[in-house]
This record gives sequence, C-alpha cells and structure tokens, in this order.
Amino acid sequence: QKEVEQDPGPLSVPEGAIVSLNCTYSNSAFQYFMWYRQYSRKGPELLMYTYSSGNKEDGRFTAQVDKSSKYISLFIRDSQPSDSATYLCAMSFYGNNRLAFGKGNQVVVIP
Amino acid sequence: KAGVTQTPRYLIKTRGQQVTLSCSPISGHRSVSWYQQTPGQGLQFLFEYFSETQRNKGNFPGRFSGRQFSNSRSEMNVSTLELGDSALYLCASSRTAVDEQFFGPGTRLTVL
Repeated sequence: QKEVEQDPGPLSVPEGAIVSLNCTYSNSAFQYFMWYRQYSRKGPELLMYTYSSGNKEDGRFTAQVDKSSKYISLFIRDSQPSDSATYLCAMSFYGNNRLAFGKGNQVVVIP
Repeated sequence: KAGVTQTPRYLIKTRGQQVTLSCSPISGHRSVSWYQQTPGQGLQFLFEYFSETQRNKGNFPGRFSGRQFSNSRSEMNVSTLELGDSALYLCASSRTAVDEQFFGPGTRLTVL
C-alpha cells in the first residue's frame, strides 16, 4: 500500500466552479500536511501548510485535514484559468523533512 | 528574497556517464532536500542535508549521492547513468529541519 494515495485522474471544470481534490494516507504518524501547485515545466509551489485537523483558509483556497479518517482535501473556490496546473498533496512526520507525495491531479479550468 | 536556484536547468548525458547538479537554497535556509520526479513514479525523496550532514536518505541506489557545503549550497551526483535516471530533479530548502519547504525550478536530465 502506498503511503499517500491521490487519484491522478485529470479534472476539467468551468471557470468559477469549485475544485475539490483529496488524498488519503496509510500512516497515522504523518503530522504535517501540504498542498503544492506545479505548473508545466516548473517546480512545485507551496500553497497550503497545516499540521492540525480542521480547516485552514487562504484566499480562494481551503485545506481540510481529517486525521481520524487519514484524509486531506483542497478546495479552490471561484476557479480561474490561471489555476490550471497539477496539484500535489504531500505530508511528513514530526521532526522529519522527508515529504511523501501523492501522484498529483492535473486540473484544467475552462474559460 | 531570491528563491531556490538550480543549475543547470537542462542536461543531456549518455548512459554510463556521471552528472553533478547544484542547488542554492533560499538565504538563511539550512536544510536542502532532493527529489526525483518522473511521470510513472511521481515525486520521490532522494536525501536531505542539514548543516552539512545527511539526515535522511530515500530508497535509491548508491549511485545517487550528495553533499552540502558550509554555505548550505548542495550538490547531488549520479554516477553510471542509466536510461531510467531521466527525470526532473528538484531541490527544496527550508529554514530548519522541520519547516515549510520551497522548491527550485528543477534540473531536467535526459539520459540517452
């Protein structure tokens, strides 16, 4: 079983829609949870960083962590064509910088 | 503040050769991690250096090695290149050993 599961299927949504992405993980020792955005031919860009269960909001982005279910989500409200990118979930253990990544979701926002 | 820089951005090598990639972290960051990204395997952790010491190592063969200098700059080396080593190699830096990590643009290595 992979440490982090992220359904890599592409996602196409119309502009203005809500994008919903999620990851599950198998190891309950993961303590820090991140979402990265990666544009084509670029490095991943940190979007959200959280370490507790619950919601964290930053502008149009909301990250949700449910440690009891080992499930994390990212919601993008009012999606824009500029949000078209691959979104990667990542997580790490306490005291450890090694990031375990999901496979990523390619999101296309259609104008 | 300048971001993480990686050089070179693109490399083409042939099987059996070796290659050295360089990473300069964000100023003040002491931890540097390296990742390999391929379409099939996604992003996989190679190793992490903190204050010139390797703290963590991923599940890669010994052909992959790295080091960190006193100014926190890091290099990774791949010896005896194989076709399967073709990938985007990403470097990430963070202030401390447990902190947000910021990625560079990567070095795209093609092995022919």
